[in-house]
Amino acid sequence: GENVEQHPSTLSVQEGDSAVIKCTYSDSASNYFPWYKQELGKRPQLIIDIRSNVGEKKDQRIAVTLNKTAKHFSLHITETQPEDSAVYFCAARNSGAGSYQLTFGKGTKLSVIP
Amino acid sequence: EAQVTQNPRYLITVTGKKLTVTCSQNMNHEYMSWYRQDPGLGLRQIYYSMNVEVTDKGDVPEGYKVSRKEKRNFPLILESPSPNQTSLYFCASSPMTSGNTGELFFGEGSRLTVL
Repeated sequence: GENVEQHPSTLSVQEGDSAVIKCTYSDSASNYFPWYKQELGKRPQLIIDIRSNVGEKKDQRIAVTLNKTAKHFSLHITETQPEDSAVYFCAARNSGAGSYQLTFGKGTKLSVIP
Repeated sequence: EAQVTQNPRYLITVTGKKLTVTCSQNMNHEYMSWYRQDPGLGLRQIYYSMNVEVTDKGDVPEGYKVSRKEKRNFPLILESPSPNQTSLYFCASSPMTSGNTGELFFGEGSRLTVL
Protein backbone atom coordinates (compact mmCIF):
# COMPACT_ATOMS: atom_id res chain seq x y z
CA GLY A 1 0.00 0.00 0.00
CA GLU A 2 0.86 3.68 -0.07
CA ASN A 3 3.31 5.13 2.44
CA VAL A 4 3.62 8.88 2.99
CA GLU A 5 6.57 10.38 4.85
CA GLN A 6 6.34 13.99 6.06
CA HIS A 7 9.11 16.30 7.28
CA PRO A 8 9.78 18.11 9.48
CA SER A 9 7.59 17.03 12.37
CA THR A 10 7.88 20.48 13.96
CA LEU A 11 8.74 23.83 12.39
CA SER A 12 9.12 27.26 13.96
CA VAL A 13 9.37 30.39 11.85
CA GLN A 14 9.32 34.11 12.49
CA GLU A 15 6.22 35.96 11.38
CA GLY A 16 6.68 37.11 7.81
CA ASP A 17 9.13 34.35 6.90
CA SER A 18 8.34 31.42 4.63
CA ALA A 19 7.62 27.85 5.72
CA VAL A 20 8.14 24.70 3.68
CA ILE A 21 6.83 21.24 4.51
CA LYS A 22 7.88 18.24 2.44
CA CYS A 23 6.28 14.88 1.78
CA THR A 24 7.33 11.80 -0.14
CA TYR A 25 5.10 8.98 -1.30
CA SER A 26 5.81 5.42 -2.34
CA ASP A 27 3.08 4.48 -4.85
CA SER A 28 3.98 5.85 -8.28
CA ALA A 29 0.31 5.45 -9.29
CA SER A 30 -0.85 8.03 -6.73
CA ASN A 31 -2.30 11.03 -8.53
CA TYR A 32 -4.04 13.23 -5.97
CA PHE A 33 -2.24 15.09 -3.18
CA PRO A 34 -4.20 17.21 -0.70
CA TRP A 35 -3.01 19.21 2.28
CA TYR A 36 -5.08 19.55 5.43
CA LYS A 37 -4.70 22.11 8.20
CA GLN A 38 -5.72 21.35 11.76
CA GLU A 39 -5.86 24.24 14.17
CA LEU A 40 -5.56 23.49 17.86
CA GLY A 41 -8.64 21.66 19.13
CA LYS A 42 -10.34 21.67 15.73
CA ARG A 43 -10.97 19.31 12.86
CA PRO A 44 -8.66 18.95 9.85
CA GLN A 45 -9.73 21.01 6.85
CA LEU A 46 -8.56 20.95 3.26
CA ILE A 47 -6.49 23.99 2.34
CA ILE A 48 -5.08 23.08 -1.07
CA ASP A 49 -4.64 20.06 -3.32
CA ILE A 50 -2.86 19.14 -6.51
CA ARG A 51 -3.32 16.50 -9.15
CA SER A 52 -0.50 14.67 -10.85
CA ASN A 53 -1.03 16.41 -14.19
CA VAL A 54 -0.02 19.72 -12.61
CA GLY A 55 3.40 20.70 -11.28
CA GLU A 56 2.42 23.64 -9.11
CA LYS A 57 -0.69 25.26 -7.72
CA LYS A 58 -1.06 28.53 -5.82
CA ASP A 59 -3.75 30.03 -3.66
CA GLN A 60 -2.77 33.41 -2.26
CA ARG A 61 0.06 32.78 0.24
CA ILE A 62 -0.07 29.01 -0.12
CA ALA A 63 1.45 26.94 -2.90
CA VAL A 64 2.01 23.26 -3.49
CA THR A 65 4.59 21.76 -5.82
CA LEU A 66 4.75 18.22 -7.12
CA ASN A 67 7.70 16.28 -8.50
CA LYS A 68 6.32 13.02 -9.89
CA THR A 69 9.72 11.67 -10.87
CA ALA A 70 11.07 12.01 -7.36
CA LYS A 71 7.70 11.19 -5.81
CA HIS A 72 7.62 14.16 -3.53
CA PHE A 73 5.43 17.18 -3.01
CA SER A 74 5.76 20.25 -0.83
CA LEU A 75 3.64 22.92 0.82
CA HIS A 76 4.98 26.47 0.73
CA ILE A 77 3.54 29.22 2.91
CA THR A 78 4.85 32.72 2.31
CA GLU A 79 4.59 35.76 4.57
CA THR A 80 3.56 33.58 7.49
CA GLN A 81 1.12 34.95 10.05
CA PRO A 82 0.29 33.78 13.58
CA GLU A 83 -2.97 32.29 12.31
CA ASP A 84 -0.93 29.92 10.15
CA SER A 85 0.13 28.14 13.37
CA ALA A 86 -1.41 24.67 13.15
CA VAL A 87 -0.67 21.06 12.34
CA TYR A 88 -0.46 20.38 8.62
CA PHE A 89 -1.03 16.96 7.09
CA CYS A 90 -0.13 15.89 3.59
CA ALA A 91 -1.86 12.94 1.95
CA ALA A 92 -1.81 10.87 -1.22
CA ARG A 93 -4.35 8.84 -3.16
CA ASN A 94 -4.52 6.74 -6.33
CA SER A 95 -7.85 7.88 -7.75
CA GLY A 96 -7.38 5.88 -10.93
CA ALA A 97 -7.88 2.63 -9.08
CA GLY A 98 -11.40 3.72 -8.13
CA SER A 99 -10.13 4.18 -4.62
CA TYR A 100 -11.05 6.95 -2.23
CA GLN A 101 -8.44 5.93 0.27
CA LEU A 102 -6.24 8.75 1.48
CA THR A 103 -2.96 7.92 3.16
CA PHE A 104 -1.83 10.69 5.49
CA GLY A 105 1.60 11.77 6.61
CA LYS A 106 2.21 12.06 10.34
CA GLY A 107 1.83 15.81 10.40
CA THR A 108 3.95 18.93 10.88
CA LYS A 109 3.33 21.28 13.76
CA LEU A 110 4.00 24.79 12.48
CA SER A 111 4.53 27.58 14.98
CA VAL A 112 4.68 31.16 13.73
CA ILE A 113 6.41 33.40 16.25
CA PRO A 114 5.13 37.00 16.31
CA GLU B 1 -25.72 23.68 7.17
CA ALA B 2 -23.60 20.92 5.64
CA GLN B 3 -21.88 19.03 8.40
CA VAL B 4 -20.59 15.82 9.90
CA THR B 5 -21.79 15.31 13.46
CA GLN B 6 -20.16 13.02 15.98
CA ASN B 7 -21.36 12.06 19.44
CA PRO B 8 -20.23 11.99 22.12
CA ARG B 9 -17.54 14.64 21.84
CA TYR B 10 -15.90 13.54 25.06
CA LEU B 11 -16.15 10.22 26.87
CA ILE B 12 -14.36 8.58 29.75
CA THR B 13 -15.10 4.90 30.15
CA VAL B 14 -13.64 1.76 31.70
CA THR B 15 -12.01 -1.26 30.14
CA GLY B 16 -14.50 -3.71 28.70
CA LYS B 17 -17.58 -1.50 28.70
CA LYS B 18 -19.03 -1.48 25.19
CA LEU B 19 -19.50 1.90 23.61
CA THR B 20 -20.65 3.40 20.34
CA VAL B 21 -19.56 6.67 18.77
CA THR B 22 -22.16 7.90 16.34
CA CYS B 23 -21.45 9.76 13.11
CA SER B 24 -24.01 11.37 10.85
CA GLN B 25 -23.62 13.48 7.70
CA ASN B 26 -26.26 15.52 5.90
CA MET B 27 -24.44 15.95 2.58
CA ASN B 28 -25.60 12.72 0.94
CA HIS B 29 -21.99 11.54 0.68
CA GLU B 30 -21.36 7.97 -0.37
CA TYR B 31 -17.96 7.61 1.29
CA MET B 32 -17.52 7.66 5.06
CA SER B 33 -14.52 6.81 7.18
CA TRP B 34 -13.21 6.69 10.73
CA TYR B 35 -9.74 7.85 11.77
CA ARG B 36 -7.91 7.92 15.03
CA GLN B 37 -5.37 10.60 15.82
CA ASP B 38 -2.56 9.97 18.24
CA PRO B 39 0.44 12.23 18.98
CA GLY B 40 3.26 11.62 16.52
CA LEU B 41 1.24 9.10 14.50
CA GLY B 42 -0.99 11.38 12.47
CA LEU B 43 -4.36 10.26 11.17
CA ARG B 44 -4.75 6.52 10.84
CA GLN B 45 -7.76 4.99 9.16
CA ILE B 46 -9.81 2.48 11.13
CA TYR B 47 -12.65 1.53 8.78
CA TYR B 48 -14.31 3.00 5.75
CA SER B 49 -17.49 2.58 3.75
CA MET B 50 -18.11 3.33 0.08
CA ASN B 51 -21.86 2.84 0.28
CA VAL B 52 -24.70 1.37 2.31
CA GLU B 53 -23.88 -2.13 3.55
CA VAL B 54 -20.33 -1.86 2.14
CA THR B 55 -17.55 -1.53 4.71
CA ASP B 56 -13.87 -2.38 4.72
CA LYS B 57 -10.89 -2.35 7.04
CA GLY B 58 -8.44 0.50 7.12
CA ASP B 59 -4.96 0.39 8.60
CA VAL B 60 -5.84 -0.12 12.29
CA PRO B 61 -9.17 -2.01 12.49
CA GLU B 62 -8.41 -4.27 15.45
CA GLY B 63 -10.83 -3.80 18.34
CA TYR B 64 -13.38 -1.83 16.30
CA LYS B 65 -16.55 -2.57 14.38
CA VAL B 66 -18.66 -0.41 12.09
CA SER B 67 -21.96 -0.63 10.29
CA ARG B 68 -23.54 1.30 7.41
CA LYS B 69 -27.25 0.57 7.40
CA GLU B 70 -28.18 4.04 6.18
CA LYS B 71 -26.28 6.39 3.92
CA ARG B 72 -26.07 9.18 6.47
CA ASN B 73 -24.90 7.17 9.51
CA PHE B 74 -21.66 5.34 10.19
CA PRO B 75 -21.29 4.40 13.86
CA LEU B 76 -18.02 3.18 15.36
CA ILE B 77 -18.39 0.39 17.89
CA LEU B 78 -15.87 -0.60 20.53
CA GLU B 79 -17.11 -3.95 21.82
CA SER B 80 -14.57 -4.23 24.64
CA PRO B 81 -12.54 -1.03 24.91
CA SER B 82 -8.98 -1.19 26.16
CA PRO B 83 -6.63 1.60 27.32
CA ASN B 84 -4.73 1.51 24.01
CA GLN B 85 -7.90 2.76 22.33
CA THR B 86 -7.64 6.02 24.22
CA SER B 87 -7.45 8.49 21.37
CA LEU B 88 -9.06 11.30 19.42
CA TYR B 89 -11.46 9.90 16.83
CA PHE B 90 -12.60 11.63 13.66
CA CYS B 91 -15.39 10.64 11.34
CA ALA B 92 -15.18 11.97 7.80
CA SER B 93 -17.28 11.85 4.66
CA SER B 94 -16.67 12.54 1.01
CA PRO B 95 -18.69 12.67 -2.20
CA MET B 96 -17.80 10.05 -4.79
CA THR B 97 -19.47 11.58 -7.80
CA SER B 98 -17.45 11.98 -10.97
CA GLY B 99 -15.45 15.18 -11.08
CA ASN B 100 -15.26 15.58 -7.34
CA THR B 101 -11.86 15.82 -5.76
CA GLY B 102 -12.95 13.54 -2.96
CA GLU B 103 -12.35 16.21 -0.31
CA LEU B 104 -12.81 14.76 3.15
CA PHE B 105 -15.19 16.62 5.45
CA PHE B 106 -14.37 15.87 9.06
CA GLY B 107 -16.53 15.85 12.14
CA GLU B 108 -15.43 17.78 15.22
CA GLY B 109 -13.81 14.77 16.81
CA SER B 110 -14.55 12.54 19.79
CA ARG B 111 -12.00 12.33 22.57
CA LEU B 112 -12.18 8.92 24.19
CA THR B 113 -10.39 7.89 27.37
CA VAL B 114 -10.42 4.26 28.45
CA LEU B 115 -9.35 3.66 32.04
